[in-house]
Amino acid sequence: DGGITQSPKYLFRKEGQNVTLSCEQNLNHDAMYWYRQDPGQGLRLIYYSQIVNDFQKGDIAEGYSVSREKKESFPLTVTSAQKNPTAFYLCASSRRYNEQFFGPGTRLTVL
Amino acid sequence: AQKITQTQPGMFVQEKEAVTLDCTYDTSDQSYGLFWYKQPSSGEMIFLIYQGSYDEQNATEGRYSLNFQKARKSANLVISASQLGDSAMYFCAMRELETGANSKLTFGKGITLSVRP
Repeated sequence: DGGITQSPKYLFRKEGQNVTLSCEQNLNHDAMYWYRQDPGQGLRLIYYSQIVNDFQKGDIAEGYSVSREKKESFPLTVTSAQKNPTAFYLCASSRRYNEQFFGPGTRLTVL
Repeated sequence: AQKITQTQPGMFVQEKEAVTLDCTYDTSDQSYGLFWYKQPSSGEMIFLIYQGSYDEQNATEGRYSLNFQKARKSANLVISASQLGDSAMYFCAMRELETGANSKLTFGKGITLSVRP
């Protein structure tokens, strides 16, 4: 079945550690996105990529990094520079002007 | 200024009744798109309905319809015949097509809907 997978579902990080969240899609979508959601809040865009080997910062990119080496994959690294990384992270993909489809999310907790 | 405003507090509706969830938006673009997503407690975002700024008809998808009032910059979601499974957070989002980053979505803060049996 076509869709978006994110792993892991839950992730615990010690302060000072970098962690990488996985996002894979088999929908053949060109564009992929990473969002952060805090409790009771909407989604805020971290990074997005409209084509392989190219990506742009979103509204809250500081402390995060991404890569887009393959069309199917758009991993997000939460670095130690991100001061408050505990949140729910959602990955999405879309054909360029169409609706975005979301993965199930990764819940990151800093211990 | 907020681009997407969803100000209703938690909404309650009786099963089988209709409910309207409000969304107002702010843009200077002439070409834009409006989306509604549902987020159940599992966390996954589910696309519900889309309205383009040039669409003359209000969008409908099954029990969902969008009451689009362009002059008032509002795009309210109407859910007819509510079901218990409709209990979730609902997010309004906008894509502005003239800003260059034309696949970005801006989300509102969401509205919680609870359906009572």
